[in-house]
Amino acid sequence: GENVEQHPSTLSVQEGDSAVIKCTYSDSASNYFPWYKQELGKGPQLIIDIRSNVGEKKDQRIAVTLNKTAKHFSLHITETQPEDSAVYFCAASTLWGYQKVTFGIGTKLQVIP
Amino acid sequence: DSGVTQTPKHLITATGQRVTLRCSPRSGDLSVYWYQQSLDQGLQFLIQYYNGEERAKGNILERFSAQQFPDLHSELNLSSLELGDSALYFCASSVRGRGPSSYEQYFGPGTRLTVT
Repeated sequence: GENVEQHPSTLSVQEGDSAVIKCTYSDSASNYFPWYKQELGKGPQLIIDIRSNVGEKKDQRIAVTLNKTAKHFSLHITETQPEDSAVYFCAASTLWGYQKVTFGIGTKLQVIP
Repeated sequence: DSGVTQTPKHLITATGQRVTLRCSPRSGDLSVYWYQQSLDQGLQFLIQYYNGEERAKGNILERFSAQQFPDLHSELNLSSLELGDSALYFCASSVRGRGPSSYEQYFGPGTRLTVT
């Protein structure tokens, strides 16, 4: 089955700096890679996703990159703000067929004002 | 607010007992997913239902079962509970069970289960 590794497990950055979270996956059949943000006491919320036919996707201060050959994908948050503090999960899945989503272990991001 | 509701929010029970967790998907969503989140295991996929039928199974124990009813709400039944079953249980829903338009999953707020 799919295995998703995520690092770092914790990340502290100063407000305004950038944060990068990296994930690797094992199953070459995976072609959909969502990122979720989980705030304390809440369920995960989809913040951005990328399909395997795209190398990069941006949404304001958030970007995701995908290297299919190396089976790596990364989340980049620029100009971090205190409200970005949360746990971030990467995941891998397939777009076709019934989904079994495999999540990374999570990264706790702390943005220091 | 994702539109997915889960009840109860908290549940405290003893080992050996049985509990039922309930999930109502977003209006119009046919697919429901159950996840278990614990500190050491992260977010683990348990099972998926689409329009009343089981469609995918993950790391779900035999002591656990689920179903989706005609009104599309779903229940996760956990029996013979053990201390290690203490975790957050999330339900998520998506529009369909398969195909490119189905991929966005919306998570509920979760049920925190504590087994003592």
